Amino acid sequence: EIVLTQSPATLSLSPGERATLSCRASQSISRYLAWYQQKPGQAPRLLIYDASNRATGIPARFSGSGSGTDFTLTISSLEPEDFAVYYCQHRSNWPPTFGQGTRLEI
Amino acid sequence: EVQLVESGGGLIQPGGSLRLSCAASGFTLSNFNMNWVRQAPGKGLEWISYITTTSNPIYYADSVRGRFTVSRDNAKNSLYLQMNSLRADDTAVYYCARGNPYDYWGQGTLVTVSS
Repeated sequence: EIVLTQSPATLSLSPGERATLSCRASQSISRYLAWYQQKPGQAPRLLIYDASNRATGIPARFSGSGSGTDFTLTISSLEPEDFAVYYCQHRSNWPPTFGQGTRLEI
Repeated sequence: EVQLVESGGGLIQPGGSLRLSCAASGFTLSNFNMNWVRQAPGKGLEWISYITTTSNPIYYADSVRGRFTVSRDNAKNSLYLQMNSLRADDTAVYYCARGNPYDYWGQGTLVTVSS
């Protein structure tokens, strides 16, 4: 099973700042990585798939990069609604796994 | 509008069984592979099952294999999760999610396993 390790566990920033979230895989997953955002009491929402493709309706301030074992989600200028928990997930093989999450807080 | 609506959750005693349903609308279920993903209270996300459009193949996480069974009825636009031999650590919100990556999710249904 591929383990995804997200860092940091918690990121404290202010609106307007740039956020950089990391996800590291225990072995190469090519570009088969997605990022999800989850707000309290809500289902997760797909942000990025295949490392760098924004999902439908996702603002351009969200971008993803990386390949192999190291991936990054960048939010260029934080909006108040971006404060949430972010998860990475791979689909390179079975089982698909999620990272433990990064909490982005004000 | 794509919608997924889970139902069937509730309080169940350890060792009991429960059947979850996921009703799909706004798209043709038969065209999509589907998943169940769960989230224990205050914890992260855990994928537990995947079913293709034709129900073959089907995959399960080790944590539920042999106890849970996923199925679908494309004619009814519905996905199901039969959960048997439930344990306390199965307590979670259960989501159905479309495709891989998971581009649409339901709102979830809470399953609480407790005596």
